[in-house]
Amino acid sequence: ETGVTQTPRHLVMGMTNKKSLKCEQHLGHNAMYWYKQSAKKPLELMFVYNFKEQTENNSVPSRFSPECPNSSHLFLHLHTLQPEDSALYLCASSQDPRGAYEQYFGPGTRLTVT
Amino acid sequence: KNQVEQSPQSLIILEGKNCTLQCNYTVSPFSNLRWYKQDTGRGPVSLTIMTFSENTKSNGRYTATLDADTKQSSLHITASQLSDSASYICVVSAVMNTGFQKLVFGTGTRLLVSP
Repeated sequence: ETGVTQTPRHLVMGMTNKKSLKCEQHLGHNAMYWYKQSAKKPLELMFVYNFKEQTENNSVPSRFSPECPNSSHLFLHLHTLQPEDSALYLCASSQDPRGAYEQYFGPGTRLTVT
Repeated sequence: KNQVEQSPQSLIILEGKNCTLQCNYTVSPFSNLRWYKQDTGRGPVSLTIMTFSENTKSNGRYTATLDADTKQSSLHITASQLSDSASYICVVSAVMNTGFQKLVFGTGTRLLVSP
C-alpha cells in the first residue's frame, strides 16, 4: 500500500492553471510509469522512465510534461489542460521495464479540469 | 491488433456466492497474464500472474485459470465478501523484441457484492 505514493490525491484546476503531480516509490525500483485512467476505458500508458531516462512517450500532448530527477521520484507537470484530461492519473514502478517484472501502482491522483 | 476483452462489464452477486469473470485476449508475443483488483479511487493491486506454462493459480479465495491455446483466462471468486466489491482488470504482457514489456489492459469487470 505505501510502496508507491502519489500527491495530491485530488486536484481541481482550471484550464489556464499550472500544477504538478508527484509520485514517489520506496521499493528500490528502477522503472517508473505514468498512466491515465478514464471512465470505461483501459489504462493508457503515458510515459516510461528507466534509470531516470525516458524510454517511452505514447504520443502524449505536450501539455503533459514528465520529469524524473531520480529513480525514486516522478513528476507530471500540467499546463493549459482540457476538460477531457479529467481522469485518474496513476503512477507505477517496477524493478525493470524489460522482461516481465510486476508493476506496483500508487493510489492515483483524481484530476478534474474545469 | 493487441486487445484484451473482459466480460461481463459489470456484475452484482449476493454475499457468500461464487462468481467467474472472463478475459479473452489477442496479444502477442505473449509473456504473462495478470489479474488486478482495483478498489474505487485506488490504484490496481496484483492478484495473480500466470506465464504460458501455468494453467491455474490461486491467491486465497481468488483462482485464475489460463488457456493459452484459446487465449482465454478466468478469475473465479469463492464465497464472496463485501470487500470483494471492486473492478477486476485483466492485463496481458507482451515482451517486445527490444526486451521491453508492453502491458495491454482490459476495461475491467465491475463487481458489486450485495449483503
